[in-house]
Amino acid sequence: EPEVTQTPSHQVTQMGQEVILRCVPISNHLYFYWYRQILGQKVEFLVSFYNNEISEKSEIFDDQFSVERPDGSNFTLKIRSTKLEDSAMYFCASKGDGGGTGELFFGEGSRLTVL
Amino acid sequence: AQRVTQPEKLLSVFKGAPVELKCNYSYSGSPELFWYVQYSRQRLQLLLRHISRESIKGFTADLNKGETSFHLKKPFAQEEDSAMYYCAPGTGRRALTFGSGTRLQVQP
Repeated sequence: EPEVTQTPSHQVTQMGQEVILRCVPISNHLYFYWYRQILGQKVEFLVSFYNNEISEKSEIFDDQFSVERPDGSNFTLKIRSTKLEDSAMYFCASKGDGGGTGELFFGEGSRLTVL
Repeated sequence: AQRVTQPEKLLSVFKGAPVELKCNYSYSGSPELFWYVQYSRQRLQLLLRHISRESIKGFTADLNKGETSFHLKKPFAQEEDSAMYYCAPGTGRRALTFGSGTRLQVQP
């Protein structure tokens, strides 16, 4: 069964460093998402991506964040200069449905620890 | 603004007891409602959605538009139901908004 895959599973970085989290969505899906979950808190929406552009973003997704689909298969989240409060589990999700809400398929997450 | 309230952070029941995980939402328009589940060390996965009106793993959820609720129920809990449960409304292509989640612990 096709799955969303994410790498790395865990990354430790120093404050101020750039981080790139990678996701390979399910191959025929059209909509891509990043969510994050700070330890002990709820799953928060960051950004959605469709047709090679951002379709929606939350107020969390500020100028420090960017997303890219560089090669038609990977979907990346970049944090330019990490802060301590960026420490969280980051989930990628994809959806194939062309019209209705449809089911989101999630990756296992990338845990980011900023020291 | 969209808001989802899951009032219980933790719900602990004994095996065989009935379970109800509460979800209330505030959402513009007519959202579709979902329950997602995360078992220990596994990814978030869809449990059920209101439009399909089906029972998955013995769980059902009824959308009450008047009360804006979408409570998840199971008549007889099993130990393997222990997990985090998230209620999530969404419309069209917009991202789902997740509630804070309820941890269900089913004790033997």
